Amino acid sequence: GQNIDQPTEMTATEGAIVQINCTYQTSGFNGLFWYQQHAGEAPTFLSYNVLDGLEEKGRFSSFLSRSKGYSYLLLKELQMKDSASYLCAVRDQSGYQKVTFGTGTKLQVIP
Amino acid sequence: KAGVTQTPRYLIKTRGQQVTLSCSPISGHRSVSWYQQTPGQGLQFLFEYFSETQRNKGNFPGRFSGRQFSNSRSEMNVSTLELGDSALYLCASSREAGGEEKLFFGSGTQLSVL
Repeated sequence: GQNIDQPTEMTATEGAIVQINCTYQTSGFNGLFWYQQHAGEAPTFLSYNVLDGLEEKGRFSSFLSRSKGYSYLLLKELQMKDSASYLCAVRDQSGYQKVTFGTGTKLQVIP
Repeated sequence: KAGVTQTPRYLIKTRGQQVTLSCSPISGHRSVSWYQQTPGQGLQFLFEYFSETQRNKGNFPGRFSGRQFSNSRSEMNVSTLELGDSALYLCASSREAGGEEKLFFGSGTQLSVL
C-alpha cells in the first residue's frame, strides 16, 4: 500500500518563497506528481519527478529524493493567485500503476 | 481539444437512492480514473478503467461500481446511497496508464446525500 503525508495548511507572504513537503511510503515507486487545486476547481498538473533531483519550471520547482521517500514543491515570488491546495501524488509500480494522492496542503498567500 | 467532461455538475439525492455519474475523457485518452474528494480525506482512489477493463480498484464497498464504454466514456454508479457518500467525485483521464503520463481532471460532480 501507500502512505503519503503533507502538511494540512501553510501561510506565506506575497513575494516570498514557500516550500511544501511531502513524504511517502510505497511498495513500488514509479513517479511523483504535484497538482494545484483552486477552491471549487479541478486539480491541474504542476510537475512530475521520477529521478532524484530538482525540476524547475518557472516560479515552481519540485525536488525528489527516492532513498528518503521525500519530495518538496518550491514556489517562488508568491502571488495572491497561488492561494490553493497543493496535492502530492505517487504512482505505484505494482499492478497497473494507479496514482494515489495525499490529503493536500492548503496554502494561503497573504499581502 | 475539449477537456474532461463530467455530468452532472451538481446532484442532490436522498439516502437509499442510487446515482450514476458520467465522464467523457479527452479524445484519444483510454485510461479513466475516478476519485472521491472530501475535506478530511483528500482524493481517495475509486477505480481505473482502460479499454473497457477495470484494472485497479480502491478500498470502497461494492456499492461503488463503474464501467467504461468502447468510446472510452465512463460511468460510475453508487447504489443505496449513504450520508457519507456526499463528496466531490472527480474523473481523470490519460492516454495510457504509467510512466510520466499525467492525469487530466474534470470539474467533478458534487453529490449531496440528504
